[in-house]
Amino acid sequence: DGGITQSPKYLFRKEGQNVTLSCEQNLNHDAMYWYRQDPGQGLRLIYYSQIVNDFQKGDIAEGYSVSREKKESFPLTVTSAQKNPTAFYLCASSMASTNEKLFFGSGTQLSVL
Amino acid sequence: GENVEQHPSTLSVQEGDSAVIKCTYSDSASNYFPWYKQELGKGPQLIIDIRSNVGEKKDQRIAVTLNKTAKHFSLHITETQPEDSAVYFCAASIRRNTGFQKLVFGTGTRLLVSP
Repeated sequence: DGGITQSPKYLFRKEGQNVTLSCEQNLNHDAMYWYRQDPGQGLRLIYYSQIVNDFQKGDIAEGYSVSREKKESFPLTVTSAQKNPTAFYLCASSMASTNEKLFFGSGTQLSVL
Repeated sequence: GENVEQHPSTLSVQEGDSAVIKCTYSDSASNYFPWYKQELGKGPQLIIDIRSNVGEKKDQRIAVTLNKTAKHFSLHITETQPEDSAVYFCAASIRRNTGFQKLVFGTGTRLLVSP
């Protein structure tokens, strides 16, 4: 059963703490993405990766970091430099040839304690 | 600039009625326009898309129309059912100078279909 798995579903962060959100896909997609969703707003692109060992900043990359060591995995770290981290985080993937068609995971809700 | 405006923000209809959601984009070079449906607590799911060389596309009860001149595109849902209740997002592609096609999303429309 192919798809994108995000974990955990809910995550709480303390002040000054870094937290990592997991994203795994078994669709054999080349490209992966991280979006942030805030209430009443559209999805905003944080980082994307078109191939393994390469990634690019999106529109709101400050305070976040990513890695792409394996094709299947694209973890997102929310660092302490991100002052307003509370949001719903969505991971997505696409084939390289049709990188507009995004397949999304079920999301991680991050809240600050 | 990179901007997609979406209206209305909320839409309530009776079961069986039609629903229309409209989006306007700013980049005349945009050539791909998908629509996503997001149910509560889940990720968005692609329901229909259209490319700039086509004016209309249908898939059963849903259709999308595109007016390139006016930079408008719309989602039409006919014979609405309670399970159509969700948040719908439009998006338009923006090509970066690296060749990467980025999607810019609208702010979403919450559709409520009452039995």
